[in-house]
Amino acid sequence: KAGVTQTPRYLIKTRGQQVTLSCSPISGHRSVSWYQQTPGQGLQFLFEYFSETQRNKGNFPGRFSGRQFSNSRSEMNVSTLELGDSALYLCASSLAGDRINSYEQYFGPGTRLTVT
Amino acid sequence: LAKTTQPISMDSYEGQEVNITCSHNNIATNDYITWYQQFPSQGPRFIIQGYKTKVTNEVASLFIPADRKSSTLSLPRVSLSDTAVYYCLVGTNTDKLIFGTGTRLQVFP
Repeated sequence: KAGVTQTPRYLIKTRGQQVTLSCSPISGHRSVSWYQQTPGQGLQFLFEYFSETQRNKGNFPGRFSGRQFSNSRSEMNVSTLELGDSALYLCASSLAGDRINSYEQYFGPGTRLTVT
Repeated sequence: LAKTTQPISMDSYEGQEVNITCSHNNIATNDYITWYQQFPSQGPRFIIQGYKTKVTNEVASLFIPADRKSSTLSLPRVSLSDTAVYYCLVGTNTDKLIFGTGTRLQVFP
């Protein structure tokens, strides 16, 4: 079974630009979550989508948004990029259910975003 | 969500058993305990999950005492490839994983 895929793997953008990252979950997984990882803040939860609806959101500004399509694929968008947005952006998928922690999450390799 | 505390770093040698303890004093009744492993520039990988007592799989064992206020991840006979960051997570009915700082394990030859 193919794992979680993320595109692109690497990206360089300029301050003020916007960026869209893509995530394809494991087949059959309906939940997709996004995380940001930086050396200073560690791994931080951005948001989670289930059946095209955002179920949970972390403490990030409105510049960070996402969506999920009917095939469970998800995109994350960051507008008006700032230098501090440079990070590894990770996507994870899971079967999900009532007790999310009883289902392991499968992470993709991430997208390394550099903002200059 | 229950806060977790684990050592920042640990060193070991190949072939030794490594035990990483995580404290979660305010764990709730329905919370599960989950451990993830992360290599540099890769996404975290699920290792093991448990609710109480002991859980074992082909990779590790998870020991949970009766009061569930702590848990211990046990890695038998570590190798150089086990050098990674290990995260302990506690929660339930949550749709997001809250990662702490993790434990950086360094295995030496």
